[in-house]
Amino acid sequence: GENVEQHPSTLSVQEGDSAVIKCTYSDSASNYFPWYKQELGKRPQLIIDIRSNVGEKKDQRIAVTLNKTAKHFSLHITETQPEDSAVYFCAASKTSYDKVIFGPGTSLSVIP
Amino acid sequence: EPEVTQTPSHQVTQMGQEVILRCVPISNHLYFYWYRQILGQKVEFLVSFYNNEISEKSEIFDDQFSVERPDGSNFTLKIRSTKLEDSAMYFCASSEYSITYEQYFGPGTRLTVT
Repeated sequence: GENVEQHPSTLSVQEGDSAVIKCTYSDSASNYFPWYKQELGKRPQLIIDIRSNVGEKKDQRIAVTLNKTAKHFSLHITETQPEDSAVYFCAASKTSYDKVIFGPGTSLSVIP
Repeated sequence: EPEVTQTPSHQVTQMGQEVILRCVPISNHLYFYWYRQILGQKVEFLVSFYNNEISEKSEIFDDQFSVERPDGSNFTLKIRSTKLEDSAMYFCASSEYSITYEQYFGPGTRLTVT
């Protein structure tokens, strides 16, 4: 089955700096790659997603890139703010309505 | 904006007892899911449900687990005889029939088995 790896497991950046989280997946049939932000004790919240027919997507300070050949995808957060501090999960899904397989998560701390 | 809701928010039960976790998916959604998250770990898929039957289940979803859509609005997860290792946050999610793929997660039920 699908396996999603994620690095780093923890990331600490100064406010205003950029943060990059990288993920790999194993199943070449995966076509949908969402990113979730989870604050302590809360539900995972979708922050951005990318589909296999797109190489890059941007939404304000957040961007995702996808390399299907290498089975890599990454999240980039620019101009980080303290409220960006949370656990971020990358994930992969094979087809529409299929289960979402989560990576192990990255705990991001933004230091004011 | 419509949201997935779950009850209770926290359930404490003794080992061996049955628990039922309840979810109300977004009303026009047709696909339903249960995930669990053991404290400090990643979110793990348990089961997906469509057209009143299980679409897929993970290895975690053994004979102790069952799901049901008893009426037009609720979606339940039952654990027949809870174990200590069932202690986790259980998230329900739902998805509409479209190409957008997005699954909307509920706030979760924290299950504590003592």
